[in-house]
Amino acid sequence: DGGITQSPKYLFRKEGQNVTLSCEQNLNHDAMYWYRQDPGQGLRLIYYSQIVNDFQKGDIAEGYSVSREKKESFPLTVTSAQKNPTAFYLCASSSRRNQETQYFGPGTRLLVL
Amino acid sequence: LAKTTQPISMDSYEGQEVNITCSHNNIATNDYITWYQQFPSQGPRFIIQGYKTKVTNEVASLFIPADRKSSTLSLPRVSLSDTAVYYCLARGGGSARQLTFGSGTQLTVLP
Repeated sequence: DGGITQSPKYLFRKEGQNVTLSCEQNLNHDAMYWYRQDPGQGLRLIYYSQIVNDFQKGDIAEGYSVSREKKESFPLTVTSAQKNPTAFYLCASSSRRNQETQYFGPGTRLLVL
Repeated sequence: LAKTTQPISMDSYEGQEVNITCSHNNIATNDYITWYQQFPSQGPRFIIQGYKTKVTNEVASLFIPADRKSSTLSLPRVSLSDTAVYYCLARGGGSARQLTFGSGTQLTVLP
């Protein structure tokens, strides 16, 4: 089955802790994206990557970091610098040729203890 | 950045046709306009995509006027299961070519 997976489904973070959200795809897509969604709100772009070993900041990158060491994987780290991390995090992937057609994972809900 | 504007919410009854419009200024001239559907606690799902005029698939139609300053998603004969949030996605024009999702329209289909 081709698709995009995210883990864990729920994640709890303590104050001052860094946590990493996993995103994996087997669609052979070059481009991958991370979005944040707050309750009742739209999607805001955190980071995106169009090719391995390269990524760009989106609209709300502060307090987050990413890596793209493999084509299939685009993990997102929520650092302690992100003071309000509670949200629903969505990962997506697309071909480079048609980045408007994005395939989304099921999401990770991050909660602060 | 492209700014995309959608109505916050819409109500409809089962069996009716629903039209949701997205206004997008300063979008790229040569890129697609795409619409997504999202159910609670799920990732958005692709519905339809177009560049200009009209596109139709098995679930929806998309109308894009020549100036591409707006697009309208048309859902024929909606059912209760079409209750969801609908987003448009467009790419900014000029040097700011980042993709931007609209704020989303909550469609509620009533029996």
